Amino acid sequence: GENVEQHPSTLSVQEGDSAVIKCTYSDSASNYFPWYKQELGKRPQLIIDIRSNVGEKKDQRIAVTLNKTAKHFSLHITETQPEDSAVYFCADSSYKLIFGSGTRLLVRP
Amino acid sequence: DAGVIQSPRHEVTEMGQEVTLRCKPISGHNSLFWYRQTMMRGLELLIYFNNNVPIDDSGMPEDRFSAKMPNASFSTLKIQPSEPRDSAVYFCASSFGGSSETQYFGPGTRLLVL
Repeated sequence: GENVEQHPSTLSVQEGDSAVIKCTYSDSASNYFPWYKQELGKRPQLIIDIRSNVGEKKDQRIAVTLNKTAKHFSLHITETQPEDSAVYFCADSSYKLIFGSGTRLLVRP
Repeated sequence: DAGVIQSPRHEVTEMGQEVTLRCKPISGHNSLFWYRQTMMRGLELLIYFNNNVPIDDSGMPEDRFSAKMPNASFSTLKIQPSEPRDSAVYFCASSFGGSSETQYFGPGTRLLVL
C-alpha cells in the first residue's frame, strides 16, 4: 500500500543554520510532492511543492529536491529563523495525498 | 476570498451523541477533502469528493462515520454515535483539480468526546 516515511521526527538547529528533512515514498505512480508547515494550533499550509518532471525547486530560503529513481524527496531550509519553528509534513500523491508523520523543527535563537 | 470555512471550531460532546461537522470550500474549487489529525495517527484522509461525488472513502473508519456533499459549496461529516476515540482535529480542505493540486486547509474542528 501507499506509504511515506519521514525523517527525522524532531530536529533542533541554531538560528542561521540549515535544516534538512527527508521523505521516502513507495508508490511509483506518485507525481506530486507538497510540503506543508503547521504551527501549533493552526492549520497545515503549503510552503512548496514539486512535480515528478522536475528535480529541484527553490523559493527564497526553501528548496525541495526529488530523486525519482530512489523514491525520495527532501526539504531544505537555509538561514533558519525562529519563526521557522513548526511541524513540517511531506506528502505524495498519485490519486490521493498521503502524509508523512511530520518533523518538529525547533530553531534556537 | 474567505478561504475554507469550518464550523464549529470546537465541539465537546458525550459518548453516544451525534456530531455534525460542516465545511464550505473555497468558491470555484471542485475537490473537497476531509482529514483527521491525531498525535497517534497523524494526518489521515477520510474521504475525498470531486464535483460533489465521493471518489475515495477508504479512510472512513467505520459505519459510524458518514459524509455528504449536497452541492459545490457545502459538505458535512457526521459521526453517529460518537466515541471517545473519535476525539481529534478534523480538517476540511479544498482544491481546484483534485489531489495533485494545492490543497487549502480550513481552520479545523477540535472535537472532544467525553
